This record gives sequence, structure tokens and C-alpha cells, in this order.
Amino acid sequence: NAGVTQTPKFQVLKTGQSMTLQCAQDMNHEYMSWYRQDPGMGLRLIHYSVGAGITDQGEVPNGYNVSRSTTEDFPLRLLSAAPSQTSVYFCASSYSLFEETQYFGPGTRLLVL
Amino acid sequence: GENVEQHPSTLSVQEGDSAVIKCTYSDSASNYFPWYKQELGKRPQLIIDIRSNVGEKKDQRIAVTLNKTAKHFSLHITETQPEDSAVYFCAAYLAGGGADGLTFGKGTHLIIQP
Repeated sequence: NAGVTQTPKFQVLKTGQSMTLQCAQDMNHEYMSWYRQDPGMGLRLIHYSVGAGITDQGEVPNGYNVSRSTTEDFPLRLLSAAPSQTSVYFCASSYSLFEETQYFGPGTRLLVL
Repeated sequence: GENVEQHPSTLSVQEGDSAVIKCTYSDSASNYFPWYKQELGKRPQLIIDIRSNVGEKKDQRIAVTLNKTAKHFSLHITETQPEDSAVYFCAAYLAGGGADGLTFGKGTHLIIQP
């Protein structure tokens, strides 16, 4: 099992550009989520999904879109990148929504100029 | 929604001593409390967790305690070693709270002095 994978590892964008951060898991997990990590802020939930075709907003969803067409994949789209979106992004998954260990991907470091 | 406060933000201890990190949460309905360790440049990894029906849990040198009445939980690391140096995050989980996911504290940078 590869676990949770994320691509790219590092990305530089200019303000206004769009891009998609990829996340995939091969553990047949129903629950997937995206967090952003900023210095001194911990991890904050952006969007999450409890299964294919179902997504919902987390704490900081503005400027991001997600979709869940398959159980395995959960891409995060930045619609129009802003410097405030400079951060490290982690995708996580778990077997179910309730009280389960979250398995994190290796992260994507994003710099928006 | 849930709010998690974590203290201290930085903790420096001598190798071999104990370290304690404390967290408080706001929503009494939260029922799952994991602790994650994150080494520099790496992903967060679960080190121990506790559910609301348990008061204490141990795993070798690591223990977590939960006080539901006071709404706080703590991580205890005994006989600290250099490899314990990392950032530790507590989290609380509230199912059905509107934003279903973990709410994290802001982290504690644990430094083990040789």
C-alpha cells in the first residue's frame, strides 16, 4: 500500500493563477479531508468528504473547491491563487468519519507570489 | 464549532526528564482526542489517542489523560530522548458539529536538551 499520496511536493504560483493539488489513497477509506498548516496556527480543515459524491466545507473553505468522483481521489482546486494561500497543504484519510485515526499524506508546499 | 487551546507553545526539557503538554477544548460533546507528532518537514503522525469514555491511556513512555469535567487533556512523555524533539499537536473531534473533522491546537515545539 502506498497509503496517502500527494502531488506536487512543491509549487510556486503567481497571484491569480489556478491549480489543482492531487490527493489519492489506496486504503479504501471513505473519509478524506484537506488541511492547511501555517506557522503558529496548527492545522485547519479546508474541505472534507465522507464518500464519493459527497463533500462539505471545513473551517477555512474560501478560495478552494473540491470534488470526490471516486473513493480514491480527492483533488483540491485553487481557483485564483492569492499570497494568503501560501501554506503547506496536507491531505488525510480514514476508514470512516467517526473517531478514526487520520492518515496524512506527505504534504504540498505552496508559495504564491 | 470546537476550539482547542494548547500550552505551552515551546517546551525545553533535559534529556531523561519528563514533558507535559496540556490542551483544553470548548465543546463538551467532543469525544475523541488524538495527539500527533510532526518532525521537521514531515507529515503529522498519530502517537496516541483517547476516547471520551476513558480517563487515561499509556503506551510505553507516552501517556494521555482526559478530564471531561474540566474539558482538558494532557500528553505526558517520560524519560525523554533526543528523538522526542518535534512539534506535538493535540486535537479534538466533534462528530456532527457542522464541520466534521479534527480541530487542532496550535502545537508545542518540544526541545530535548542533551
